[in-house]
Amino acid sequence: DTAVSQTPKYLVTQMGNDKSIKCEQNLGHDTMYWYKQDSKKFLKIMFSYNNKELIINETVPNRFSPKSPDKAHLNLHINSLELGDSAVYFCASSQDLTDLAKNIQYFGAGTRLSVL
Amino acid sequence: AQSVAQPEDQVNVAEGNPLTVKCTYSVSGNPYLFWYVQYPNRGLQFLLKYITGDNLVKGSYGFEAEFNKSQTSFHLKKPSALVSDSALYFCAVRGGGGFKTIFGAGTRLFVKA
Repeated sequence: DTAVSQTPKYLVTQMGNDKSIKCEQNLGHDTMYWYKQDSKKFLKIMFSYNNKELIINETVPNRFSPKSPDKAHLNLHINSLELGDSAVYFCASSQDLTDLAKNIQYFGAGTRLSVL
Repeated sequence: AQSVAQPEDQVNVAEGNPLTVKCTYSVSGNPYLFWYVQYPNRGLQFLLKYITGDNLVKGSYGFEAEFNKSQTSFHLKKPSALVSDSALYFCAVRGGGGFKTIFGAGTRLFVKA
């Protein structure tokens, strides 16, 4: 029973298209995140939601829009895809954002996005 | 601004030998430090954390890390490496009163049989 699940696992698309990646966690956590891992494995935070409220919004093109319909879901929609968007996108969740003892993050398996 | 450095892109060690993966950090205020491991085509998995207390922290799979405030380091160690420990290891830091966890660039560990 996967704790943090992302779909799809692979996404191959053309430049200019719009795509979405879905994330669900069944851990009962309050906080969810999106990270981007580039080809050199560098991991960078994009967004964080706590109780459906946007808390962290890094310097990310506004073509990227997160949506959290409830605490268990955090989806990522990307408009007008560009070649540079090709990366692995990871969803993660943690029990809490402010309590450091509860800030261990649990990651999904990743979505490998290839923009052609 | 907080930052974390993993000075080695790759660490090679023979099975059965001790291993060390280095991490140094920079943060205002108290640092909160984490180690995660990533196996191929998988998400990151939590190994251990330092929040406060004993400087030597023990974690999963026999790993441990030592917090050294004067050297601003949090090196990951294991007394006896296994081939199955081969993976990508990330050090991470949170501090300065912020909500962001900053990850290092990762260190690839190769354990040779």
